[in-house]
Amino acid sequence: ETGVTQSPTHLIKTRGQQVTLRCSSQSGHNTVSWYQQALGQGPQFIFQYYREEENGRGNFPPRFSGLQFPNYSSELNVNALELDDSALYLCASSSNRGLGTEAFFGQGTRLTVV
Amino acid sequence: TQLLEQSPQFLSIQEGENLTVYCNSSSVFSSLQWYRQEPGEGPVLLVTVVTGGEVKKLKRLTFQFGDARKDSSLHITAAQPGDTGLYLCAGRLSGGSYIPTFGRGTSLIVHP
Repeated sequence: ETGVTQSPTHLIKTRGQQVTLRCSSQSGHNTVSWYQQALGQGPQFIFQYYREEENGRGNFPPRFSGLQFPNYSSELNVNALELDDSALYLCASSSNRGLGTEAFFGQGTRLTVV
Repeated sequence: TQLLEQSPQFLSIQEGENLTVYCNSSSVFSSLQWYRQEPGEGPVLLVTVVTGGEVKKLKRLTFQFGDARKDSSLHITAAQPGDTGLYLCAGRLSGGSYIPTFGRGTSLIVHP
């Protein structure tokens, strides 16, 4: 068990709605990354937060936004949900931005948009 | 275009067989991680390789980082049904980037 927890584990939303996913990082970790994983694919990087600041962003539209809190937990918000947003959303925490630092993943949130 | 190409994409073998999974790129990585993911779960870190030419062993799993740090391989000896899962490689690009980039993964099924 990595110590990274995500909530909720499963979620069903209607197209056009908004959703907030949450992640508690592992103790001592100050960096959180969010990934979207479609069925049968590898995780696609959404963005990363380091000490409450966005630290990098993948090829996702602005309706994907996030926050990191002083305790390093994080939220992923998605507005105007589309059917293609259905996926497993993964949160990973790491101890710093440095090279060679491993990321530890939560169990993910399975989002279904109908 | 994927920065990291994994092959094969799918692998279905019998218990006891050996297999090798590859992770290739045209870019140089400062480090590379291998993860195993079971359905509906997050990826679990298996190993990190950092030095070109490095070989690491984890029980029946052998990981190798290419000399030029552009590729890696995972070899499983005498595969067992418990090895079934999605094997992902993820790399951090050399030159300052610190955001791990994942390949699409190799889906392995080991039949009893």
